[in-house]
Amino acid sequence: ILNVEQSPQSLHVQEGDSTNFTCSFPSSNFYALHWYRWETAKSPEALFVMTLNGDEKKKGRISATLNTKEGYSYLYIKGSQPEDSATYLCAHPGGDSSYKLIFGSGTRLLVRP
Amino acid sequence: DTGVSQDPRHKITKRGQNVTFRCDPISEHNRLYWYRQTLGQGPEFLTYFQNEAQLEKSRLLSDRFSAERPKGSFSTLEIQRTEQGDSAMYLCASGFPNQPQHFGDGTRLSIL
Repeated sequence: ILNVEQSPQSLHVQEGDSTNFTCSFPSSNFYALHWYRWETAKSPEALFVMTLNGDEKKKGRISATLNTKEGYSYLYIKGSQPEDSATYLCAHPGGDSSYKLIFGSGTRLLVRP
Repeated sequence: DTGVSQDPRHKITKRGQNVTFRCDPISEHNRLYWYRQTLGQGPEFLTYFQNEAQLEKSRLLSDRFSAERPKGSFSTLEIQRTEQGDSAMYLCASGFPNQPQHFGDGTRLSIL
């Protein structure tokens, strides 16, 4: 079983705060790491796919880093806004040809106005 | 490209009844995945298709569950003799190998 762990489980911040969360994954046989944002009543939306150690990706105020040797990725949100409130999921493909995703439990972010 | 669509959005049924969900993937995607998400957990893999062939089923998928993807287009997931533990969000995703998966809005199943 190639478990993915995310922390914290939930996070409440004020509008304008910057925040970050962690995703830990098995470092052996690494292939890729996916980040998704899942807003209530909507579908999970792909944010990033990261493949290389040291990768850093950015999308607006959201960025992510990857360390494949130690098996973790950080997601950062700069200047959180209420519309950033969502569950942030990370996942990795199981390492076989199915490319089925193995998800963490997610970090639930609530940004208060 | 209208994205992945799932029907129905919500299903409430009594224990013991059969239910069927439908997923229409993005048309050019050859892979279609089903996941299940319960409260406080991330989505868990159930099964996937490449075109019309069902290539893998999770141990989570008991013999009461069956999935099809006739002609490699839409897919259906049927649960027979539903149980309380089947209450969950059922998500469908489509994509290509090694690419991000595109998810539908899900079907929320509630068993009374």
